[in-house]
Amino acid sequence: GQQLNQSPQSMFIQEGEDVSMNCTSSSIFNTWLWYKQDPGEGPVLLIALYKAGELTSNGRLTAQFGITRKDSFLNISASIPSDVGIYFCAGQQYGNKLVFGAGTILRVKS
Amino acid sequence: DTAVSQTPKYLVTQMGNDKSIKCEQNLGHDTMYWYKQDSKKFLKIMFSYNNKELIINETVPNRFSPKSPDKAHLNLHINSLELGDSAVYFCASSQGLAGGYNEQFFGPGTRLTVL
Repeated sequence: GQQLNQSPQSMFIQEGEDVSMNCTSSSIFNTWLWYKQDPGEGPVLLIALYKAGELTSNGRLTAQFGITRKDSFLNISASIPSDVGIYFCAGQQYGNKLVFGAGTILRVKS
Repeated sequence: DTAVSQTPKYLVTQMGNDKSIKCEQNLGHDTMYWYKQDSKKFLKIMFSYNNKELIINETVPNRFSPKSPDKAHLNLHINSLELGDSAVYFCASSQGLAGGYNEQFFGPGTRLTVL
């Protein structure tokens, strides 16, 4: 089935550092999304990207929708301890169906 | 107020048993979903319902049967539980299907352990 290739699988960084993660796909998606999942909770939407080439920010988060609609990256600037969690990219298909990447586990050393 | 709630939070049961997980949303949404998250944290959609009608039915064993008594509820019944069914199951809801992406709001998850 459809798969999104998300990298890196995990990151262990120092507080204050910038973080970058990305997703690629062999298929085109209408919308790209970035979700964060805290331990014991469900995923929460961080950023939604609707147009090819679109660059969107949400506080310290910045994400871009690739021009080919097959990739996206998420940057987190000046990381803080509460950024810890699992970050998922997701692509939207028909019927609001989401296909998720495998996730990037982020750990922050304070 | 909890937007999307699931019960139970944890469910431990023996192989071969039948169990149900309940989901309720108070957001006034008309579309609800079930996802399965395996031990490697991979999230995959199982079903979606729009106005109580089944819309998405991924390749899921027919031991899994979703039921939507009304737009605010989507329950998941699992027959003859197997070890491989152990996972975290997430319910989600969104407003509608038409147009572009409609944000999905996820519940807190139900951790199912089959012994």
